Amino acid sequence: EDQVTQSPEALRLQEGESSSLNCSYTVSGLRGLFWYRQDPGKGPEFLFTLYSAGEEKEKERLKATLTKKESFLHITAPKPEDSATYLCAVQAASGNTPLVFGKGTRLSVIA
Amino acid sequence: KAGVTQTPRYLIKTRGQQVTLSCSPISGHRSVSWYQQTPGQGLQFLFEYFSETQRNKGNFPGRFSGRQFSNSRSEMNVSTLELGDSALYLCASSLEFTGELFFGEGSRLTVL
Repeated sequence: EDQVTQSPEALRLQEGESSSLNCSYTVSGLRGLFWYRQDPGKGPEFLFTLYSAGEEKEKERLKATLTKKESFLHITAPKPEDSATYLCAVQAASGNTPLVFGKGTRLSVIA
Repeated sequence: KAGVTQTPRYLIKTRGQQVTLSCSPISGHRSVSWYQQTPGQGLQFLFEYFSETQRNKGNFPGRFSGRQFSNSRSEMNVSTLELGDSALYLCASSLEFTGELFFGEGSRLTVL
């Protein structure tokens, strides 16, 4: 069974304090790994897709990386507006399979 | 362009009642997926529709059903509501079923 585990569950950072979020996964052949951001009271917002080990994607202060077993979301010099829940999801390679989501990391950035 | 629209945003029902939630996808998107989000379980996949056909179904009881219309709008229905059905129900659309989903803001259901 495909599975996604995110850690830590919650993370509190000072503004400017860089850190990383972890997403460990098991999947029967990876079609893609996806990162989403979810603000309170809103639906998730797509951030990145990673397809193969070694791939990296960047967007502003965020950089996502992928290995064969896990993905990291690195946050460089975060600002309070980066506070949100970050969700990781995987899609298996077999057919049109739905995404399997992790439970997310709740990030708080304090000014 | 307009995003994914879900109605109603909030609703309160009592046990045993039924509920219908509606989702209007982004124009041109033919794939619509539904997810249930709870604090304990996170996002759980309910079903996915493409061109009016259900292509995938998650591990939920038969009380949960859905459909898609020819204009790609989708509805989901939950019958005989239980307390545990209280959740945020999210709809997402995409051009075809990829992982790059565009989510609506959700319908928050409270069952008393």
